Amino acid sequence: GAGVSQSPSNKVTEKGKDVELRCDPISGHTALYWYRQSLGQGLEFLIYFQGNSAPDKSGLPSDRFSAERTGGSVSTLTIQRTQQEDSAVYLCASSLGTAGRSPLHFGNGTRLTVT
Amino acid sequence: GQQLNQSPQSMFIQEGEDVSMNCTSSSIFNTWLWYKQDPGEGPVLLIALYKAGELTSNGRLTAQFGITRKDSFLNISASIPSDVGIYFCAGRSRGGTSYGKLTFGQGTILTVHP
Repeated sequence: GAGVSQSPSNKVTEKGKDVELRCDPISGHTALYWYRQSLGQGLEFLIYFQGNSAPDKSGLPSDRFSAERTGGSVSTLTIQRTQQEDSAVYLCASSLGTAGRSPLHFGNGTRLTVT
Repeated sequence: GQQLNQSPQSMFIQEGEDVSMNCTSSSIFNTWLWYKQDPGEGPVLLIALYKAGELTSNGRLTAQFGITRKDSFLNISASIPSDVGIYFCAGRSRGGTSYGKLTFGQGTILTVHP
């Protein structure tokens, strides 16, 4: 597609429920990234994929967070047993590769609210 | 881990004024990027820098990759109301499992008064 697409754009869930956030990267981009942005804060790295593998998942806050990528394209970020502190905007980005001259292109994010 | 210190945290300026913001890092980066984020949207790339000492312009925006590879600045000349938003610096380092990811600064909130 023309840009990185994320769905849903907004998600309200009750504490304790599981949620799945989806990211469709730009066609042909092999690298995919998930970041989290809390209100008024910078971007916190969660995980990135090169193809279908995740060389760096060091930013996942806890074992309630997991992500997968299939077919070198779509990625899903899953949060189990959501907590109120999980409320944030979850941003996905993709890049042509991970080499230096491959800037990240971001989607508009999924705003998650845990009540 | 890697940390980026971005300053100032916020700026309130008059239309037509020039703006300068910068980022410093505790470690070396081989790529510096500057992004702008509008409300409800994802960050959009403004300028990319790939070489120490590089000075790059994009319209009224100018950014430089510091010689030490631990800092970068962004200047905006003759600001206009649509420059309002949050500006982020981001750095990417070489090597290891962190090779691909960007580390972001905390952002500079820019307000432009007409």
